[in-house]
Amino acid sequence: QKEVEQDPGPLSVPEGAIVSLNCTYSNSAFQYFMWYRQYSRKGPELLMYTYSSGNKEDGRFTAQVDKSSKYISLFIRDSQPSDSATYLCAMSVNTGGFKTIFGAGTRLFVKA
Amino acid sequence: SQTIHQWPATLVQPVGSPLSLECTVEGTSNPNLYWYRQAAGRGLQLLFYSVGIGQISSEVPQNLSASRPQDRQFILSSKKLLLSDSGFYLCAWSQRISGGNTIYFGEGSWLTVV
Repeated sequence: QKEVEQDPGPLSVPEGAIVSLNCTYSNSAFQYFMWYRQYSRKGPELLMYTYSSGNKEDGRFTAQVDKSSKYISLFIRDSQPSDSATYLCAMSVNTGGFKTIFGAGTRLFVKA
Repeated sequence: SQTIHQWPATLVQPVGSPLSLECTVEGTSNPNLYWYRQAAGRGLQLLFYSVGIGQISSEVPQNLSASRPQDRQFILSSKKLLLSDSGFYLCAWSQRISGGNTIYFGEGSWLTVV
């Protein structure tokens, strides 16, 4: 079993839809949870960063962590064609850095 | 603010030729530095990381090597490329602090070995 599981998609939604992207994990010691957005042929860029459980909101993006279920989510409201990208979840214990574990990424397509 | 530069962005190399990818970070001191490879559908594979000048840790045995000649410079090399070395290579950095040191990536280098 992989430490982090992420559905590769692709996920295709119409413009304006609410998108839900998810990851599950097996290591209960993870405390730091990140979401990265990666456009085609570009490096991943940090989108959201959350410590421990709870929600964090930034504009149209909401990151949610449920440590009891070992489940994290990224919600995108009012999705736009410019949101079309691959979204990678990542998580780490307190050392972070090279101990960061990445999901394989979910490809999202937002249709105009 | 911190920035990371990685080059070249794209290269096509024949089998058996050498490789050198370079990365520099600006706006921070004593960063942790990383080289990842990303294969389609397989996510990010950590190749090397470095916590200081001349200090390199390898995560997987392979045909590649890394060096850190200066604090903010990280180089990925190979003496003889294999077809299997083709892929998308990403340099990254994080601050050397305890607790959730988030990783920031460069723009990546596409390598095609022919």
